[in-house]
Amino acid sequence: GAGVSQSPSNKVTEKGKDVELRCDPISGHTALYWYRQSLGQGLEFLIYFQGNSAPDKSGLPSDRFSAERTGGSVSTLTIQRTQQEDSAVYLCASSLASLTLYGYTFGSGTRLTVV
Amino acid sequence: QKEVEQNSGPLSVPEGAIASLNCTYSDRGSQSFFWYRQYSGKSPELIMSIYSNGDKEDGRFTAQLNKASQYVSLLIRDSQPSDSATYLCAATSYDKVIFGPGTSLSVIP
Repeated sequence: GAGVSQSPSNKVTEKGKDVELRCDPISGHTALYWYRQSLGQGLEFLIYFQGNSAPDKSGLPSDRFSAERTGGSVSTLTIQRTQQEDSAVYLCASSLASLTLYGYTFGSGTRLTVV
Repeated sequence: QKEVEQNSGPLSVPEGAIASLNCTYSDRGSQSFFWYRQYSGKSPELIMSIYSNGDKEDGRFTAQLNKASQYVSLLIRDSQPSDSATYLCAATSYDKVIFGPGTSLSVIP
């Protein structure tokens, strides 16, 4: 596609429920990243996929968070047993393999509200 | 823990003035540096990238890099009200980009 596509754009869920957030990167981009941005805060790195390599999960805040990337393209971020502190905008980004030159292109994000 | 630091602001400048945004980074191995603009409620948008010491100009924007001082800056000339946004400084660290907390800029008509 022309840009990074994320769905849903907004999600309201009850505390304790599981949620799935989807990211479809730019065609041809081999690297995919998930970040979280809480209200008024900076971007917090969550997880990184590069091609067929094992993902870098070093930013995941707890074992309630997991992500997968199928076929080197679409990625799903799953949050189990959601808590109110999980409320944030979840941003997906993709880049060509040469991150050094091109930086990221971000999707429009999923705003998650846990009530 | 690799970090990128910025003054949170808000930075207020009158329309037509030069806005100066500053950033420092901790990872001496960082090779590439970026400035993103984020409007309220929107996702970050890449506006400048810089890789070598010195200045890089693109329209009204000039990025400056000093690797010895681990310092990056962004100058916005002839500031417009539409430039009012949060500006995120970022640096590569290995295979990730580390973002600063952002500086809020307000351009007053």
